Amino acid sequence: GAVVSQHPSWVICKSGTSVKIECRSLDFQATTMFWYRQFPKQSLMLMATSNEGSKATYEQGVEKDKFLINHASLTLSTLTVTSAHPEDSSFYICSARGGEANSPLHFGNGTRLTVT
Amino acid sequence: QKEVEQDPGPLSVPEGAIVSLNCTYSNSAFQYFMWYRQYSRKGPELLMYTYSSGNKEDGRFTAQVDKSSKYISLFIRDSQPSDSATYLCAMRFKAAGNKLTFGGGTRVLVKP
Repeated sequence: GAVVSQHPSWVICKSGTSVKIECRSLDFQATTMFWYRQFPKQSLMLMATSNEGSKATYEQGVEKDKFLINHASLTLSTLTVTSAHPEDSSFYICSARGGEANSPLHFGNGTRLTVT
Repeated sequence: QKEVEQDPGPLSVPEGAIVSLNCTYSNSAFQYFMWYRQYSRKGPELLMYTYSSGNKEDGRFTAQVDKSSKYISLFIRDSQPSDSATYLCAMRFKAAGNKLTFGGGTRVLVKP
């Protein structure tokens, strides 16, 4: 099955620094990847849709200058949390779709970000 | 009213019992339906993917879709303690570019 790898699995950073999270599709090419955020005991909240070679589409209320997304290749998308603050602490999960138009989404294992 | 409603649980069952999960939705335009399992501090894992009304079976899992009632279900037979997790239903429109709408998730606890 389709495998999505996310790195790092957890990170602790100081307030004001930036953190980059990588999402890779290991055995398929993903023209579209999605970034989600999940708070404890809550469901996934879509942050943005990342398209290879073009600008990401952000959901309402998500600051694009705060959460920089780069989808430079068909197998890699990155999310950079800039000038992180404690309220950015959360579980970030990426997902990608396989090659066919109607194929389901597969998720990475998430990155737990803690900003101190 | 949320687009997709799912009872948060927790749902506690003894080992070997059938786990019954369901979601209701309000938008009849949803065409594709998924069930994901999420363990604590892990990403969601796809369990079932359906796009038509009726039943789909895969091992111990059976997914049901009733588009006329806007209701989907997931049944887990012979439940095991390793099935203890949060189960998320998700759905999308036909031309949504795979943008999913999730239910809130149901936490399931299978007791040995």
